[in-house]
Amino acid sequence: NAGVTQTPKFQVLKTGQSMTLQCAQDMNHEYMSWYRQDPGMGLRLIHYSVGAGITDQGEVPNGYNVSRSTTEDFPLRLLSAAPSQTSVYFCASSLTGGADSPLHFGNGTRLTVT
Amino acid sequence: TQLLEQSPQFLSIQEGENLTVYCNSSSVFSSLQWYRQEPGEGPVLLVTVVTGGEVKKLKRLTFQFGDARKDSSLHITAAQPGDTGLYLCAGPYMKTSYDKVIFGPGTSLSVIP
Repeated sequence: NAGVTQTPKFQVLKTGQSMTLQCAQDMNHEYMSWYRQDPGMGLRLIHYSVGAGITDQGEVPNGYNVSRSTTEDFPLRLLSAAPSQTSVYFCASSLTGGADSPLHFGNGTRLTVT
Repeated sequence: TQLLEQSPQFLSIQEGENLTVYCNSSSVFSSLQWYRQEPGEGPVLLVTVVTGGEVKKLKRLTFQFGDARKDSSLHITAAQPGDTGLYLCAGPYMKTSYDKVIFGPGTSLSVIP
């Protein structure tokens, strides 16, 4: 009963490096999304997807890319990491993305950019 | 500027006390959700309110959606240490679109035994 799995749990990058945060869900959910959580800011939506092959921007998309080639996976790519991207990143999924479809979250990836 | 504001930001109370936390917006939301997040974990949904004036109860937790659907409150009766956590409200970014779910900054609750 895995739910939403995020890897890695922790990552340290140097400015300018690239990396991909992985997210996988085994609940056959159509909707997936990425949030970042910073102190006092709550969760801010980066990108989301309503199904395979469909993605769209959230509140803070700059510096991040996503793709959705399968229903199960929704990786988040940082092309050139910056200290401002130091944060905790959460992936979430829901059956449809509707109001009666709760978000299921992974346990997060804590990223530090030096 | 955040669409959803929450107050207070921090709350520390003794076990057995009652408390209320608030979620407010200048915009109308078609629905609002409340989540609780514990350290090192992702948020977990507590409840969704969809009708103005709606009241929902979950054991010692009472959730209310404002009549104008611009605000919501969470009342906890006889708080226990297990209630400690970050309480987040969330709602769809646009009135008719559920795709973008945005969150408030949260209320961090600490219940002292």
